[in-house]
Amino acid sequence: GAVVSQHPSWVICKSGTSVKIECRSLDFQATTMFWYRQFPKQSLMLMATSNEGSKATYEQGVEKDKFLINHASLTLSTLTVTSAHPEDSSFYICSARDWRTGGSYEQYFGPGTRLTVT
Amino acid sequence: SQKIEQNSEALNIQEGKTATLTCNYTNYSPAYLQWYRQDPGRGPVFLLLIRENEKEKRKERLKVTFDTTLKQSLFHITASQPADSATYLCALNTGNQFYFGTGTSLTVIP
Repeated sequence: GAVVSQHPSWVICKSGTSVKIECRSLDFQATTMFWYRQFPKQSLMLMATSNEGSKATYEQGVEKDKFLINHASLTLSTLTVTSAHPEDSSFYICSARDWRTGGSYEQYFGPGTRLTVT
Repeated sequence: SQKIEQNSEALNIQEGKTATLTCNYTNYSPAYLQWYRQDPGRGPVFLLLIRENEKEKRKERLKVTFDTTLKQSLFHITASQPADSATYLCALNTGNQFYFGTGTSLTVIP
């Protein structure tokens, strides 16, 4: 149980275009999903917290107009990188909390999406 | 803001030995502290969670301790195996958000 998927697993796009990444909880309802970014040999940096049916909460320094997050249902959150630039190239990972665990703070991660902007 | 440090970037140990990884944090103690394993090009995998009122937690060959006085957690892998080679991350929660340490890359040498 507690499986999270991401699509696509990797994507290459041209500078100036937009890319959408999907995060799905496959066997549980996730009222909260998180989006992280990870650069090579660095740890995960929290970008935003996404609650179902409400606006995402962005971490300081993350441009909300550039990284659009939509959490339209209890099993799906999307991250859209708008007008992508080479410096946006990174590994994007989502995670979700499983509320079946009675308020415990375990979170389950997707496999990640490798974005390369040329 | 909370700062999380893991004591070394890389740790090499011989197969069969116990690996000990350290996670130190500043400021206030979180309600929960978690350890994750991450393999290259993959998302982290949850290993263990320990609450602030718990001193120690075990799961098979894994053991985690949590010392709120020292603001430190130790993560032990006993009888280590080459398959344990990975990067291990600690994570703390602040309300609804989670923040990760820099990670320690563990290599178990056969």
